[in-house]
Amino acid sequence: DGGITQSPKYLFRKEGQNVTLSCEQNLNHDAMYWYRQDPGQGLRLIYYSQIVNDFQKGDIAEGYSVSREKKESFPLTVTSAQKNPTAFYLCASKGGGALREKLFFGSGTQLSVL
Amino acid sequence: GQNIDQPTEMTATEGAIVQINCTYQTSGFNGLFWYQQHAGEAPTFLSYNVLDGLEEKGRFSSFLSRSKGYSYLLLKELQMKDSASYLCAVASGGSYIPTFGRGTSLIVHP
Repeated sequence: DGGITQSPKYLFRKEGQNVTLSCEQNLNHDAMYWYRQDPGQGLRLIYYSQIVNDFQKGDIAEGYSVSREKKESFPLTVTSAQKNPTAFYLCASKGGGALREKLFFGSGTQLSVL
Repeated sequence: GQNIDQPTEMTATEGAIVQINCTYQTSGFNGLFWYQQHAGEAPTFLSYNVLDGLEEKGRFSSFLSRSKGYSYLLLKELQMKDSASYLCAVASGGSYIPTFGRGTSLIVHP
């Protein structure tokens, strides 16, 4: 079955540590996105990539980094510069054609600070 | 930038009808989405409107008025499982990147 896989489901970060959240899709989608969700808030865009080897900052990119070396993979690194990383992180992808507007989401990663 | 506004919380009774409103201000409008999100889970797609009017899909319907910057999601024959957050998102600009509102938490009670 096609879909988006995020791992791990839960992640804990220590002070000063970088952590990487995995996102893999087998939908053959060109565009991939990372959103952050805080309690009672909507989704805020961190980074997005429209094509392999290219990515753009979203609204809240500070303290985060990404790479897009393969079409299937779009990992997100939460760096030590991100002072308030506790949140629910969602990865999404989008294809073209008739359903080009629809986002497909992974199951999310809950990141907490120890 | 974009400004998307929707009520924070709504309550309704099982079997009833509820309407969740969303207003937006944007340039280069490309479409409006509604997603459903249960606590701790990923959002799931409900509807997409790009032209004015009503789109019906089973118990759920979505309406759009581009001139008024207004949309609503109509849920009929409410069920307990409809208790969730409903996210309004607007796509604009050449890259079709959706911007999400804060979501409306719907509580369905017996």
